[in-house]
Amino acid sequence: KAGVTQTPRYLIKTRGQQVTLSCSPISGHRSVSWYQQTPGQGLQFLFEYFSETQRNKGNFPGRFSGRQFSNSRSEMNVSTLELGDSALYLCASSFTGPANEQFFGPGTRLTVL
Amino acid sequence: GESVGLHLPTLSVQEGDNSIINCAYSNSASDYFIWYKQESGKGPQFIIDIRSNMDKRQGQRVTVLLNKTVKHLSLQIAATQPGDSAVYFCAETGGGTYKYIFGTGTRLKVLA
Repeated sequence: KAGVTQTPRYLIKTRGQQVTLSCSPISGHRSVSWYQQTPGQGLQFLFEYFSETQRNKGNFPGRFSGRQFSNSRSEMNVSTLELGDSALYLCASSFTGPANEQFFGPGTRLTVL
Repeated sequence: GESVGLHLPTLSVQEGDNSIINCAYSNSASDYFIWYKQESGKGPQFIIDIRSNMDKRQGQRVTVLLNKTVKHLSLQIAATQPGDSAVYFCAETGGGTYKYIFGTGTRLKVLA
């Protein structure tokens, strides 16, 4: 069974640009969560989707947005990139939500110059 | 690989010894707890979980203990191996929040 896949694995952008990251969950999983990981802040929750509905959102500015498609694949978008957005962005999937085993992808490493 | 955290607490243990990693969780309403292992350049890998109606759960070479009175979790790794070297995170969820709250992480170094 394939694991959670994230594309691209690495991205370099400049300030002011926007970026879209993609996540394909494990087959059968309908919940997808996104996290930002930085050395200073650790793992911070961004948002969680289930059946195309956002059920929770973390304390991030509106520049961070996401969506989920009918096949459970998810994307997150960051607009007007800032230097501080440089981070590892992790996607995790589970059958019904974080209250069950949640499996993480390898992450997308975003560098903002 | 990339550094997960520059100032993480570090636990150094001799190969073959047992390791105990501790975590204080924040929300008394949390009812599901998970330990993850993260190696350099990789995403967190699920190790073991426990629900709030239990106080101990065992897996292969790992045991998780939950003390709800003091909001404390621990991960015990038996006969620690070099491949156990990684950063370990605890996570909590519950109360219908649909999100994990992660601890700051502990770096485990296994000495040969």
